[in-house]
Amino acid sequence: DQQVKQNSPSLSVQEGRISILNCDYTNSMFDYFLWYKKYPAEGPTFLISISSIKDKNEDGRFTVFLNKSAKHLSLHIVPSQPGDSAVYFCAANKLLGGKLIFGQGTELSVKP
Amino acid sequence: GAGVSQSPSNKVTEKGKDVELRCDPISGHTALYWYRQSLGQGLEFLIYFQGNSAPDKSGLPSDRFSAERTGGSVSTLTIQRTQQEDSAVYLCASSLAGTAYNSPLHFGNGTRLTVT
Repeated sequence: DQQVKQNSPSLSVQEGRISILNCDYTNSMFDYFLWYKKYPAEGPTFLISISSIKDKNEDGRFTVFLNKSAKHLSLHIVPSQPGDSAVYFCAANKLLGGKLIFGQGTELSVKP
Repeated sequence: GAGVSQSPSNKVTEKGKDVELRCDPISGHTALYWYRQSLGQGLEFLIYFQGNSAPDKSGLPSDRFSAERTGGSVSTLTIQRTQQEDSAVYLCASSLAGTAYNSPLHFGNGTRLTVT
């Protein structure tokens, strides 16, 4: 049972444009959502998070949007840069609930 | 300060052998997690430690898999009688206070296990 789903395995965007990565979840008990970025041969690194009491969180070029009624979150990267090329994972959990459930990842390629 | 350290970085073993994977978390982090990523797959949860106890080991795939954590620090993941389907990158992560807000997981670079 895949509780966190990223339905797009890959995304290609031109440098300077917006990248939008999407994530859906099924468990309405989740109240904490995160995005991680992973380069080849490295572990994932934390990018940005949002709690369920908010619908938007912004950090520089990165903004995460949460739509609880649709059980959907998205990560916007503006403007996209070639160094943003990586695999992006969304993850969800209940706060203090232990394990973090990850999606399958979306590979972003930003072309110069 | 040092990040999460995993060893070895690569391990090739023959089917049927036992392997031990080691994780040194960030100093002071009370929570420790093991995940694995098989080829083309997402991150699969294996086990979670809070201190030395494991409140959630629901992701361990079979009884060939076990993990322990000593002194609230180093953790070892042991796979007995390895099978080819165990081939994956095994990732360890630690966090200051479990999955609390503003306490994200910090991952190591993983151990790539290949079972031949």
